[in-house]
Amino acid sequence: DVKVTQSSRYLVKRTGEKVFLECVQDMDHENMFWYRQDPGLGLRLIYFSYDVKMKEKGDIPEGYSVSREKKERFSLILESASTNQTSMYLCASNHAGPRQPQHFGDGTRLSIL
Amino acid sequence: ILNVEQSPQSLHVQEGDSTNFTCSFPSSNFYALHWYRWETAKSPEALFVMTLNGDEKKKGRISATLNTKEGYSYLYIKGSQPEDSATYLCAFIHSRGGSEKLVFGKGTKLTVNP
Repeated sequence: DVKVTQSSRYLVKRTGEKVFLECVQDMDHENMFWYRQDPGLGLRLIYFSYDVKMKEKGDIPEGYSVSREKKERFSLILESASTNQTSMYLCASNHAGPRQPQHFGDGTRLSIL
Repeated sequence: ILNVEQSPQSLHVQEGDSTNFTCSFPSSNFYALHWYRWETAKSPEALFVMTLNGDEKKKGRISATLNTKEGYSYLYIKGSQPEDSATYLCAFIHSRGGSEKLVFGKGTKLTVNP
């Protein structure tokens, strides 16, 4: 079974902190994604990576950066956390190709105080 | 801006009822449509990936149809059970730009009462 593991289920940080969310997948997937889920807004794509060191902005990249140094790991970085980044963050991965379903992690509920 | 609309936003049915909901998407430059099920406290799980106009997919009591010319997909659940309670998400990929990014709808939250 595909396993997408996010480093924390719950995280509380302070405004201005640099925050790292880690995601690891064990199925040699080319693509990895970071989404955020907010009530009434659905899943919105923050960043997408289609290969090691390659990234593409999603719909809401402002305030975030990403790092993909190894194929299995995709990190989301909040450069200077703000309260409007309080949200549920979901990582996903899949093999390359539009017909490939995405496999999701359990999510990280991040609160910025 | 690409928009994926799902209706209804939420739905309450009784155990044993059959139900269906809709996903609408832009009909031009269609590439693929995905359906996911997201149960509370779990991660979203892929149900179907559909690519061809007229496609029908089935998984147990759940099935889906696709009309790419008019830009909609229906998800059907036959004989709903309490364990079907979840949010059902559809997501669309368009061929413009060759990107594999999914655009998600806001979901339909289904509650099945025993």
